[in-house]
Amino acid sequence: DVKVTQSSRYLVKRTGEKVFLECVQDMDHENMFWYRQDPGLGLRLIYFSYDVKMKEKGDIPEGYSVSREKKERFSLILESASTNQTSMYLCASSLGSGRADTQYFGPGTRLTVL
Amino acid sequence: AQKVTQAQTEISVVEKEDVTLDCVYETRDTTYYLFWYKQPPSGELVFLIRRNSFDEQNEISGRYSWNFQKSTSSFNFTITASQVVDSAVYFCALQIYNFNKFYFGSGTKLNVKP
Repeated sequence: DVKVTQSSRYLVKRTGEKVFLECVQDMDHENMFWYRQDPGLGLRLIYFSYDVKMKEKGDIPEGYSVSREKKERFSLILESASTNQTSMYLCASSLGSGRADTQYFGPGTRLTVL
Repeated sequence: AQKVTQAQTEISVVEKEDVTLDCVYETRDTTYYLFWYKQPPSGELVFLIRRNSFDEQNEISGRYSWNFQKSTSSFNFTITASQVVDSAVYFCALQIYNFNKFYFGSGTKLNVKP
């Protein structure tokens, strides 16, 4: 079974803090994704990575950056957290064949920025 | 442009009732994949099914069944004899062949009452 883990289930930070969200997958997947989920908006893609050190912007990259130094780990960074970044953050990974890759999700991190 | 619409924001049923969750998609591509995911209160999205655009055969898995109709661009999900454990948010998603990105609907929250 694919296992995607996220470093924290719940996180509370203050405005202006630098926040790191970590995601690890154990299935040697090429692709990794970060989404945020807000009520009524579904899942919106922030960034994804298709290889180590490679990344592409998703639909809402503003205010975020990412890092992928190792294949199994994909980090989402909030350089200076703001209250409008309070949300549920979901990490996913997929094999990388590019044709029909099911995405497998982690349990999510619910971030509150005060 | 790609788009997935789940018009039902929330549905409530009593246990043992049948319920259908609607999913309508838009794409001009001829090769694509459709997915359903379940998100229980714990937060993790659980993969349920993937269909490709060339396979319109309906699928049944236990109490779950899926009806894919290209003529109406729909990929509906039916739960037969619903149970309390089916209570969750269900997401429909679209992926275009050879692209990593998923297009998610906004989700349908299903409440199954005992």
